[in-house]
Amino acid sequence: EAQVTQNPRYLITVTGKKLTVTCSQNMNHEYMSWYRQDPGLGLRQIYYSMNVEVTDKGDVPEGYKVSRKEKRNFPLILESPSPNQTSLYFCASSLSWGSGNTIYFGEGSWLTVV
Amino acid sequence: KNQVEQSPQSLIILEGKNCTLQCNYTVSPFSNLRWYKQDTGRGPVSLTIMTFSENTKSNGRYTATLDADTKQSSLHITASQLSDSASYICVVIDNYGQNFVFGPGTRLSVLP
Repeated sequence: EAQVTQNPRYLITVTGKKLTVTCSQNMNHEYMSWYRQDPGLGLRQIYYSMNVEVTDKGDVPEGYKVSRKEKRNFPLILESPSPNQTSLYFCASSLSWGSGNTIYFGEGSWLTVV
Repeated sequence: KNQVEQSPQSLIILEGKNCTLQCNYTVSPFSNLRWYKQDTGRGPVSLTIMTFSENTKSNGRYTATLDADTKQSSLHITASQLSDSASYICVVIDNYGQNFVFGPGTRLSVLP
C-alpha cells in the first residue's frame, strides 16, 4: 500500500530540546516536502527536496532543518524548538516535482512546545 | 503575491443536500488547480486535479469547475453524506511545478 509515514504522531516537548520528526515513503518518489498547518492558515511549506541530497527552503524555513540522505526518508529537525513552532506538521511526497503529479500526504504530527 | 482564497470559511448543511465551495486565486503563471479533502487531524487526500485547459472534473459526487480567465474554481458536492464532513482545501500550482499555494480551506459540516 502506498504510504507516507510520519513519526511521532503526537509529541509534547519543552523549549530548546532538539527533536526530529521522521518521514518515510514507500513509493520511490523523488519529491518530498514538509508543511505546517496552523488554525485559519493554509498549509505552509517549510522545506522541500527534489531528490537525494537536494533540499531547498520553502516559505517558512526558520527554525527547521532537513536532510535527504536516502530517497525514502526526509526527516524534519527542530534544533531548538520554541512555542511558536507548536503546530500540525505534514510530510508529503510525489513522483517528481513536475506539476501534474499527485501529492500524497502523511497522517500528520501534532507538536506542542511548552 | 500568489494567494488562494476560499469561501465560505465554514458551512453547515443537512444530509442529502448539495453545496458549492469557492476558490479564487492570483497564482501566476498557473499550471494546475487541485481540491483536497482533509478529515480532522488527518492528512489531505486528493479529490481532483485540473489543468489550464480543463473546465470541469468529476470524482463521484464531487465536481470541480475551473475558469482560468477569472481565476476561479468551485467544488460542488451532490447529495451530501455525513462522511463529507471535513475541510476542503484548494491548492494552486504555478507553472514551474514547485510552488504550491494552499488556500485556508472551507470547513463543511453535514448534519443528519
